[in-house]
Amino acid sequence: GIQVEQSPPDLILQEGANSTLRCNFSDSVNNLQWFHQNPWGQLINLFYIPSGTKQNGRLSATTVATERYSLLYISSSQTTDSGVYFCAVEDGNKLVFGAGTILRVKS
Amino acid sequence: DTAVSQTPKYLVTQMGNDKSIKCEQNLGHDTMYWYKQDSKKFLKIMFSYNNKELIINETVPNRFSPKSPDKAHLNLHINSLELGDSAVYFCASSLGTEAFFGQGTRLTVV
Repeated sequence: GIQVEQSPPDLILQEGANSTLRCNFSDSVNNLQWFHQNPWGQLINLFYIPSGTKQNGRLSATTVATERYSLLYISSSQTTDSGVYFCAVEDGNKLVFGAGTILRVKS
Repeated sequence: DTAVSQTPKYLVTQMGNDKSIKCEQNLGHDTMYWYKQDSKKFLKIMFSYNNKELIINETVPNRFSPKSPDKAHLNLHINSLELGDSAVYFCASSLGTEAFFGQGTRLTVV
């Protein structure tokens, strides 16, 4: 099956800083999603982005499908951005998740 | 109006008991899933149903039995609970593309 690797595993930011999270996957995919799991455990959809670039406020994502990676950009980080960020790709009717990036934003 | 809702949110039970978690989606999706998140936050598929038919069973012990009475519901019944079943269980649904997740059920077996 498809392997999904995320980096970095942990990240600590000062409020206001920018960051880039990376997701590498081992095979071509038709579906790639980014999720934020907040400190209350909810999985929140950030982007559905099998290819191209999307932006939503301070967050944007880019997937280069031919090179099998996706990037999540967080600008002007806020304490509410803290949590775990997951990348997930479709592999035969199911999503395969990466191990996540734990982000802590300090005020 | 919650899109994917699961109940209960928390479940504490003793070893050996049988318990159920319910899931409902009002998005009109045709595929529903159960995922398990372990203590290290790793998320893994357990089951997938499409139009009430089981299409994925990822080597889950047969103590776990999903049931889909209709396209909008996918319940998870667990028999003879063990300590190792403690985890957060997420229900999700999709219509071939983007998947949406419920708020999770934290199961603690004592």
